[in-house]
Amino acid sequence: SQQGEEDPQALSIQEGENATMNCSYKTSINNLQWYRQNSGRGLVHLILIRSNEREKHSGRLRVTLDTSKKSSSLLITASRAADTASYFCATARTGGGADGLTFGKGTHLIIQP
Amino acid sequence: DGGITQSPKYLFRKEGQNVTLSCEQNLNHDAMYWYRQDPGQGLRLIYYSQIVNDFQKGDIAEGYSVSREKKESFPLTVTSAQKNPTAFYLCASSQGTAYVEQYFGPGTRLTVT
Repeated sequence: SQQGEEDPQALSIQEGENATMNCSYKTSINNLQWYRQNSGRGLVHLILIRSNEREKHSGRLRVTLDTSKKSSSLLITASRAADTASYFCATARTGGGADGLTFGKGTHLIIQP
Repeated sequence: DGGITQSPKYLFRKEGQNVTLSCEQNLNHDAMYWYRQDPGQGLRLIYYSQIVNDFQKGDIAEGYSVSREKKESFPLTVTSAQKNPTAFYLCASSQGTAYVEQYFGPGTRLTVT
């Protein structure tokens, strides 16, 4: 079963605007990760946030984690055409993560020029 | 260049034939993973290996087999027992035992007719 579920399923915005996507999960976690996938390509790791962190930044990315609501959000500021991709949240199948990740269905982000 | 390679990028097979997908990494990672992705879906774990000569079933292992004879290599065989083999297959690796990101290969798109 899928642990994480992203929302919305699809998002289309103008270049330069901010994009926010959300992820909800079901069980307790040690950390939550966000990945990006360009069409027909492999996934690229974006950011990992641990359960004792509430917010984390990496360049134009900001991730928040609310363990009480079992939810996370990914904010991309000042979007660019190159940000067009699918974005997935992922959590460990069990506590550690060495036995693989569980992914949501993703948010497909389209940046209009 | 360090990374994960998968070959071939596209693979076509007739129903009833076994096919082996290649995955090689030169990141010196202990753990390797195989995921399957269907259109508009997230990734689902097929098999994983935390160490050479050992591997474990993931969530959808039926109809697949793997081997891990070398640290760098983790080939996946899609057997004729897999009922719906047409999909995008992604290999990944990670260092350490837990709480770390995974590095993905570019994927192999398998079409079975």
